[in-house]
Amino acid sequence: DIQMTQSPSSLSASVGDRVTITCRASQSISGYLNWYQQKPGKAPKLLIYAASSLQSGVPSRFSGSGSGTDFTLTITSLQPEDFASYFCQESYRTPWTFGQGTKVEIK
Amino acid sequence: QVQLQESGPGLVRPSQTLSLTCTVSGDSISSGDYYWSWIRQHPGKGLEWIGYIYYSGSTYFNPSLKSRVTISADTSKNQFSLKLSSVTAADTAVYYCARVLYSSGWRRFDYWGQGTLVTVSS
Repeated sequence: DIQMTQSPSSLSASVGDRVTITCRASQSISGYLNWYQQKPGKAPKLLIYAASSLQSGVPSRFSGSGSGTDFTLTITSLQPEDFASYFCQESYRTPWTFGQGTKVEIK
Repeated sequence: QVQLQESGPGLVRPSQTLSLTCTVSGDSISSGDYYWSWIRQHPGKGLEWIGYIYYSGSTYFNPSLKSRVTISADTSKNQFSLKLSSVTAADTAVYYCARVLYSSGWRRFDYWGQGTLVTVSS
């Protein structure tokens, strides 16, 4: 299985901050990387697919980058509704695997 | 608007079989553009992909669960189902059904059900 490692596991930030979350794959996955946002008690929501493509309806303050083994999710100007957990997921090879998550909390 | 809704018992006894159904509205599970998948999340933990079924009926499962998992579809009801046998407390989790969009070579879970908590306990 491909192992996905996210960092940090959690972070504290303020409204308006720029936030960066990284995801590293245990082997090259080209651009087969998706990002999801999950709020407590809710299902994950797709934000970014194919490493950098913004899902329809997702605000443009979310962006993704990377290729190979190293990927980044960036939130420019963090908004109150962005406080949540974020997961990366590889779709390069089954079994598809997820990162352990990054919790973004209010400072 | 595509919607998925999980249903099934919230409590399953150890060694029994967990059975869940996902009812899809706003789309047909017979469409060749999608896979239909199950994912679970242990309390306070990360996400684990269980498996998927394609409109043709072909399936693929996570090897870690393969010996215990069955996924089937009922196209007349626009539903697909999960069965997980010989459950233990380690199978206690929130179970999600999700649609996998496959386009231009890229796959992603683009629609999810709300999730249902299944507790394994005697």
